[in-house]
Parts: sequence; structure tokens; C-alpha cells
Amino acid sequence: KAGVTQTPRYLIKTRGQQVTLSCSPISGHRSVSWYQQTPGQGLQFLFEYFSETQRNKGNFPGRFSGRQFSNSRSEMNVSTLELGDSALYLCASSLVEANTEAFFGQGTRLTVV
Amino acid sequence: QKEVEQDPGPLSVPEGAIVSLNCTYSNSAFQYFMWYRQYSRKGPELLMYTYSSGNKEDGRFTAQVDKSSKYISLFIRDSQPSDSATYLCAGRWSARQLTFGSGTQLTVLP
Repeated sequence: KAGVTQTPRYLIKTRGQQVTLSCSPISGHRSVSWYQQTPGQGLQFLFEYFSETQRNKGNFPGRFSGRQFSNSRSEMNVSTLELGDSALYLCASSLVEANTEAFFGQGTRLTVV
Repeated sequence: QKEVEQDPGPLSVPEGAIVSLNCTYSNSAFQYFMWYRQYSRKGPELLMYTYSSGNKEDGRFTAQVDKSSKYISLFIRDSQPSDSATYLCAGRWSARQLTFGSGTQLTVLP
């Protein structure tokens, strides 16, 4: 059974640009959550999608957005990139919304220069 | 104050030692408590979770939750070099998201 797949694994972007990250959950999983991981702040929740609807949202500015497709794949978008957006972005999938057992992908390492 | 506080370490122990990793939390509404392990350049991997107070054992790992003191612990018996990783505790309440501690970096020396 394939795990959570995140693409791309690494990205380098310039300040002011925008970026789209992709997450394919485990087959059969319908919930996808996104987290930002930095050395200073640790893992911080961005948002959760279930059945194509955003169910929870963390305390991030509106530059961070996401969506989920009918096949449960999810994308997150960051517009007008800032240096502080450099981080590891992790996606977690679970069978249902806010399920206790969440499985993480390997993450996308975003560097903003 | 963060909702989940965790000593970042680093923590180094000799192989075979018993490791104790600890977190405190402030949100009384937390019902579920998790421990994740994260190897370098990998995503977090769920080790185990507990509901409310009590102990849970899985092989060499034991998770303990004391809701009265808002204290979460993970014990690793007979630690192995392959246990070297960052350990993250997390709490969750109702249908809300996971709230993580900052992680403790553990090195088990052969």
C-alpha cells in the first residue's frame, strides 16, 4: 500500500513568487491536513480538508490556501512568498476527519531566497 | 506560552538505556495524546497514541498520560541506535487538529 506522496520534494523560489505543493493521500483516505515545520516554531497546523471542504484552519495569513479534489488529492498554495515561508511543508492523511491515526508524507522542503 | 511544551534536548544515551521523554500541556480539553518519531529528512511517523489518562505499551515503548498534572511521557526500554531520531508529542481535542511539541532530539550511542 503506497504511503502519502508529496511533490516536489525540494523547491527554491524567490521572494514575491507563488508556489503550489501537492499531496496524494493513502488510497482510501479522505482527510488531508497540512503542517509547516520550522526549527523555531516546530510543527504548526495550516489546514485540514475532508471531502473537498476545509474543516479546520490554523493561524496563518491568507497567503496560504489549499484545496482538495474529488480523488482526495490536495494542493496548497502560498502566494507572495516571504523569506520566513522557508520550511518543510508536511501533509498528513487519515481515513476520516480528525482521525487519531494520521500518516505523514516526507514533506516538501521550500526555500525562499 | 505554547500549548504543548517539550524539552528540545539534545539527549544522548548509551545503547540499552531506558529513555524517558516528557511533555507538558496546558489545554485541559486535550483528549488524545500522540507520540511521533521523525528521522532526519523524513516525515513524522506515529508511534502510539493514548486516550485520556493511563498507560499504553507497545513492545519497547510505553506511553503515559497524567491528565491531573498535564504530563505526557514516552519510555523506551533497551534503546537501540536505530531509535536515534526526534520525538514529537502531540495533543488533540474533539475534531480539532494536532498540536505538537517542539520535539526532543535523541541519540542512542552504540
